Amino acid sequence: SQKIEQNSEALNIQEGKTATLTCNYTNYSPAYLQWYRQDPGRGPVFLLLIRENEKEKRKERLKVTFDTTLKQSLFHITASQPADSATYLCALLISSGSARQLTFGSGTQLTVLP
Amino acid sequence: DAGVIQSPRHEVTEMGQEVTLRCKPISGHNSLFWYRQTMMRGLELLIYFNNNVPIDDSGMPEDRFSAKMPNASFSTLKIQPSEPRDSAVYFCASSSNLRGDNQPQHFGDGTRLSIL
Repeated sequence: SQKIEQNSEALNIQEGKTATLTCNYTNYSPAYLQWYRQDPGRGPVFLLLIRENEKEKRKERLKVTFDTTLKQSLFHITASQPADSATYLCALLISSGSARQLTFGSGTQLTVLP
Repeated sequence: DAGVIQSPRHEVTEMGQEVTLRCKPISGHNSLFWYRQTMMRGLELLIYFNNNVPIDDSGMPEDRFSAKMPNASFSTLKIQPSEPRDSAVYFCASSSNLRGDNQPQHFGDGTRLSIL
């Protein structure tokens, strides 16, 4: 069956360290992968998109990698801050019938400790 | 810029009642999505519209759920009759697919629905 898994439901790290979140998928061949941030009581907010032919994408302190052989994306936050504490969701753009749609992972809750 | 606007933010009602959730997408966006989020199942796509036309409603759980988009600036998700297992946070999102279907989706802040 098709599945998207994000590493450990919760991840705690110390301020200033690099947080690494994992998104693994099986039985999909996504054209794109997106990462979103969700704060409590709010909707997800788009952060980054990476295409299947891109190995790495950066935006300020954020870095995303996409390995289609391993079927894995890694999401890094460098020099983490308490304000980075949130739930992070990966989403794959997958063909469904005649259209393509985003399918979301269950998310990883990141807590950055001061 | 106004984002995606959902109403109400919270809804508490008794089992069997009709529930209507509303969404105003971002002006100029031509795709609209309804999602449901629960602890057990995460964020699930219920239905999406392109240019006001429903494209894929395979995620709609059963006939008690219906969605409409009468024009480009308004959509509703209706549950009739509601059941306790429908309790969840319902999100609406919009995007523009004029430059391809990989565009980011912009989410509203959701409606927290509790069916007693």
